[in-house]
Amino acid sequence: ETGVTQTPRHLVMGMTNKKSLKCEQHLGHNAMYWYKQSAKKPLELMFVYSLEERVENNSVPSRFSPECPNSSHLFLHLHTLQPEDSALYLCASSQEGWAGFYGYTFGSGTRLTVV
Amino acid sequence: DAKTTQPPSMDCAEGRAANLPCNHSTISGNEYVYWYRQIHSQGPQYIIHGLKNNETNEMASLIITEDRKSSTLILPHATLRDTAVYYCIVNGYGQNFVFGPGTRLSVLP
Repeated sequence: ETGVTQTPRHLVMGMTNKKSLKCEQHLGHNAMYWYKQSAKKPLELMFVYSLEERVENNSVPSRFSPECPNSSHLFLHLHTLQPEDSALYLCASSQEGWAGFYGYTFGSGTRLTVV
Repeated sequence: DAKTTQPPSMDCAEGRAANLPCNHSTISGNEYVYWYRQIHSQGPQYIIHGLKNNETNEMASLIITEDRKSSTLILPHATLRDTAVYYCIVNGYGQNFVFGPGTRLSVLP
């Protein structure tokens, strides 16, 4: 356990489904992140939340919708996904919106398969 | 884009030291060098970070050149469980972590 918990660990969904990924951090951090990792590709930053406000959205399609209700929880709502959206989705948290002296702490990820 | 360049892959014999290089020639004075590793299909795991001085912890040592344009991560006695992708990241205040492709380290028996 790293202090960042992601659920579910695995998810299979059809292209017309709606599902949500959940991330919870128990570290007292005030910034949270969603990354996407497709097969054989580097991690891509999707969204950044600092102090519960979205501060970055890296040209992510609207079928991905993040939500940060408080500094401990982060969701990624999914709808009408495409097969190419199949990937490992990773959540991370940090203090003060930068890696600083403690780095980012990552969860174990959700392996998403879109069929 | 990532600010670092790493070799795509390396092999290391079990029990020997693994030395993973990283080039970051455009690093700014207030940017840190971080090293993470990712074991297959898990989240990246923090290893070590530094600014100017060499650093050591229970996992590894980090050697940063005097001009700070490159660094080396040293795993002193590699084990099979150290097989992973290793990422070198340069990061400063107000910046987000940007990952490159990293170095795939294979520790061989």
